[in-house]
Amino acid sequence: DAGITQSPRYKITETGRQVTLMCHQTWSHSYMFWYRQDLGHGLRLIYYSAAADITDKGEVPDGYVVSRSKTENFPLTLESATRSQTSVYFCASRAGDRGVYEQYFGPGTRLTVT
Amino acid sequence: AQSVTQPDIHITVSEGASLELRCNYSYGATPYLFWYVQSPGQGLQLLLKYFSGDTLVQGIKGFEAEFKRSQSSFNLRKPSVHWSDAAEYFCAVGALSGSARQLTFGSGTQLTVLP
Repeated sequence: DAGITQSPRYKITETGRQVTLMCHQTWSHSYMFWYRQDLGHGLRLIYYSAAADITDKGEVPDGYVVSRSKTENFPLTLESATRSQTSVYFCASRAGDRGVYEQYFGPGTRLTVT
Repeated sequence: AQSVTQPDIHITVSEGASLELRCNYSYGATPYLFWYVQSPGQGLQLLLKYFSGDTLVQGIKGFEAEFKRSQSSFNLRKPSVHWSDAAEYFCAVGALSGSARQLTFGSGTQLTVLP
């Protein structure tokens, strides 16, 4: 199906473990984003990518690693998960045209770190 | 830096009543403004957007929003709320930050609709 998908949708992991959240989009959008959503904070940007092999930090990047070897995929890795990383994670994408801002979101991954 | 404030954390309205959700932004230049809706367990869906021109913009699902530069506001309205409108609503401002055009989101307003 066309669009943006995330996997897994739900994940429970233990403190200190590595976990990778996957994001895949079929629109060939150049830009992709990772956000976390926490009560009272709205969405906060973790990392974004302007194209394959180009990534940059957002507002809250500490404890996260991203890569983008292919345009359609943008995985987010928590190298050593902490309880403070319990959150709902959203991936988004947008076209790279000039003046385009609107982003399109995946369904989210609910991550619990115990 | 840009910022967005949604003063109402939670709003409750009766089905059929009118709705207004408030959004105030801070940005030095002409803003790009958005409203997104998030239904339970779902991702964010774009309701409407303002870039320039007519300050009253129409969106999907019968929503509209009005840009008021003098008040730095972009309030979302609907004349008659349906039970299916119960969701969380996010206002966002688009701005150039770093090397990319990015969105900064408000903290959201949770809408409850009473039968």
